[in-house]
Amino acid sequence: KAGVTQTPRYLIKTRGQQVTLSCSPISGHRSVSWYQQTPGQGLQFLFEYFSETQRNKGNFPGRFSGRQFSNSRSEMNVSTLELGDSALYLCASRGTGGHLSGAWYFGPGTRLTVT
Amino acid sequence: SQQGEEDPQALSIQEGENATMNCSYKTSINNLQWYRQNSGRGLVHLILIRSNEREKHSGRLRVTLDTSKKSSSLLITASRAADTASYFCATGRDDKIIFGKGTRLHILP
Repeated sequence: KAGVTQTPRYLIKTRGQQVTLSCSPISGHRSVSWYQQTPGQGLQFLFEYFSETQRNKGNFPGRFSGRQFSNSRSEMNVSTLELGDSALYLCASRGTGGHLSGAWYFGPGTRLTVT
Repeated sequence: SQQGEEDPQALSIQEGENATMNCSYKTSINNLQWYRQNSGRGLVHLILIRSNEREKHSGRLRVTLDTSKKSSSLLITASRAADTASYFCATGRDDKIIFGKGTRLHILP
């Protein structure tokens, strides 16, 4: 099975712009979650989707949004970019073994740099 | 806020030695997972231990969980250069997992 893929891998944007990141989960996985990783804050949970519904959301401003499509692919959007949004954005997917089970499988991440 | 806190933050050992890192957490959990991250890349799942389990093995990895102390440890035996990475514990509760800040492990030749 192919792993989790994320596009693009690298991105440079200017303050004030918006950006959309894409994630394709492992085939058959219906849960997708997103994380922001920075040296200072570590891995911060953004949100989780299951069957097109957002199930959990982290403590991020409304500029961060996401969605999941019927094929389980997911996108996250950041509007009005700030310098502090520079980070590695990681997507992960999980199978449907029940909410108490299962590891998350991570993609390689999208490195976003805001200048 | 972070749920898990790894200790130590950084660890350097000689190749062949054992490496132990610890994780403490604050609230009740369904499971605890350990992940590895090589520099700037995605995380790789290593092992999951459920709240009703006390110890689990996978190859050179041994994980223990003490729910009364809200702590877990990851032991890597006979370390290799390829084990150089950051290791994160992640506590799972109600479909959410929350990561600690990780332990940076460096294996010296």
